[in-house]
Formats: sequence, structure tokens, C-alpha cells
Amino acid sequence: DGGITQSPKYLFRKEGQNVTLSCEQNLNHDAMYWYRQDPGQGLRLIYYSQIVNDFQKGDIAEGYSVSREKKESFPLTVTSAQKNPTAFYLCASSIAPSNTGELFFGEGSRLTVL
Amino acid sequence: AQSVSQHNHHVILSEAASLELGCNYSYGGTVNLFWYVQYPGQHLQLLLKYFSGDPLVKGIKGFEAEFIKSKFSFNLRKPSVQWSDTAEYFCAVISNQAGTALIFGKGTTLSVSS
Repeated sequence: DGGITQSPKYLFRKEGQNVTLSCEQNLNHDAMYWYRQDPGQGLRLIYYSQIVNDFQKGDIAEGYSVSREKKESFPLTVTSAQKNPTAFYLCASSIAPSNTGELFFGEGSRLTVL
Repeated sequence: AQSVSQHNHHVILSEAASLELGCNYSYGGTVNLFWYVQYPGQHLQLLLKYFSGDPLVKGIKGFEAEFIKSKFSFNLRKPSVQWSDTAEYFCAVISNQAGTALIFGKGTTLSVSS
């Protein structure tokens, strides 16, 4: 089945540790995105990538990093510099830049910092 | 600042009641508009979208939305809700003046009682 796979689904981290969330898609989509979802805050854009080896910061990129070495993969690293990392993280992809198409979302990864 | 506003944080309705969820945006230029839905425990999925043409668009499960350019609005409607419509609803906008990633509103939680 085609789709977006995020792992792990649940992750616990101690303060001061970096953690990497995986996002893989087999839809052959060019663009990939990371959003953060908090109760009452909706979805806020962290980073996005239109093509391999290129990515742009979203509204809340501080404390996060990404890479796009392969078309199908867009991992997100939550660094120790992120002040409030406990959240639900959603990865998405689209055929083209999303001003012409819809986003397809993964199931999400819930990160809890202890 | 460019933003997407959803007027209602939580809406509670009885089955068969009519629904209207408000969405306003503050972007200039050409916009594409979306409504996404997140049922409990499920992926975010596209409900409907507007790119151009007839400002009244129809989506899945009997939902529709009307784009009113003069009011910068894209309100979601359904004539008669069902218990299964209980979900969180997100309005999203992309503007050719705001980059190439969807910006989401904060969401509206709809609770439908049977």
C-alpha cells in the first residue's frame, strides 16, 4: 500500500537528548513537510522540502533540524535546544508544491520529554 | 501578519442539526483553500478544496464550503450532522504570496451527540 510511514509512534526522551523522528513515503511525491500539533494550536509548520537536498524553515524551526538526502525520506531531529518538545509530530507529502495539490499525512509520532 | 482564523474552538451539536464552521484568512493574492478532518485516532484527511471556479465546493460525506473572496472566508457547512462527524476540523490556506506550504488554522472540535 502506498502511503507515509512515521516511526516511532510513541517516543520518550530525557531532557538534553536529541531524538530523530523518521518519515518515509512511497508515493513518489516531490515535497515533504513536518508539522507540530498541539492542543488548541492547530498544525504549525516546522520545515518543508520541495526537492532532494533542499529544505526551508517553517514558522517554528528553532530547535529542529532536517535532511532530505533521498526523495522518499525526510527525518526530523528534535534537538536539546527545542524548549518545549513534547508534542504530536506529523509528516506529510504532496505531489508538487502544495499550492497545487493536497497533503497526505502520516499517522504521527508522539514525543514526550520526561 | 498572515494568518488563518477559525472562529469556534469547540462546537457541540445534536444529530440532524445543521453545521457551519467559520474560517477567515488574511493573505493577499491568489489563494487555494482546504478543509481537513481528523477523526479520533485517524490520519488527517482532506475533506474538500477550492482552487478556482465555482466558489461553492462539495466534499466527502455531504460537506460543502463556500469561498467568499470579499470576506476572505471559506466556511464549512453540512445540512445535517451525524454522530460519525465527531472530529477535529482544520481550515488551511496557501497563498502565492506566502510561500509554498499550507498554513493551518487552530482547528475546531466538533462533538455530535446521538
